[in-house]
Amino acid sequence: EDKVVQSPLSLVVHEGDTVTLNCSYEVTNFRSLLWYKQEKKAPTFLFMLTSSGIEKKSGRLSSILDKKELFSILNITATQTGDSAIYLCASTSGTYKYIFGTGTRLKVLA
Amino acid sequence: KAGVTQTPRYLIKTRGQQVTLSCSPISGHRSVSWYQQTPGQGLQFLFEYFSETQRNKGNFPGRFSGRQFSNSRSEMNVSTLELGDSALYLCASSLGQSSYNEQFFGPGTRLTVL
Repeated sequence: EDKVVQSPLSLVVHEGDTVTLNCSYEVTNFRSLLWYKQEKKAPTFLFMLTSSGIEKKSGRLSSILDKKELFSILNITATQTGDSAIYLCASTSGTYKYIFGTGTRLKVLA
Repeated sequence: KAGVTQTPRYLIKTRGQQVTLSCSPISGHRSVSWYQQTPGQGLQFLFEYFSETQRNKGNFPGRFSGRQFSNSRSEMNVSTLELGDSALYLCASSLGQSSYNEQFFGPGTRLTVL
């Protein structure tokens, strides 16, 4: 059965810290790996990764995919209180499905 | 460009009733997916529609059904509601097939079943 596992489940850090969120996947006919940020309502898109070893960056956030080891990481440097959210990882398969992990709840303390 | 819209935003029903939720995708998007989000289970895929055809269905009972219209708007129906159906129902649209395109989520419909 296809699955996506995220770790840690929750994390509390102080402003300025760097955090690394993990996502491993087992998906039949893998297509892509996506990261979303969910604050209060709908998830908002962060990154889509399809190729191994190519880092995607957006400001203080970056992500990379390892298709051999079947995992991805999301890094956030110099964290701010506004980074507090649930970070969701999802994998897409050739059968058009999105499989989401249960998320990592990040809390950044001032 | 307007985002994904969902109606209603909040809904309270009683067990045994049925409910219909609506989703209007971003203009030009042809794919609409539905998800159920609960604190215990996270985001669970319900089904995806592309050009009025259901492409795939998650592991939900037949009480959950949907459809997509020619203008890409989609509806989701849940019949014979159970307490466990209380959840946030999210709709997401993408330009093409969801496996290759990022999805944009709507604000969700919060369904409470009493």
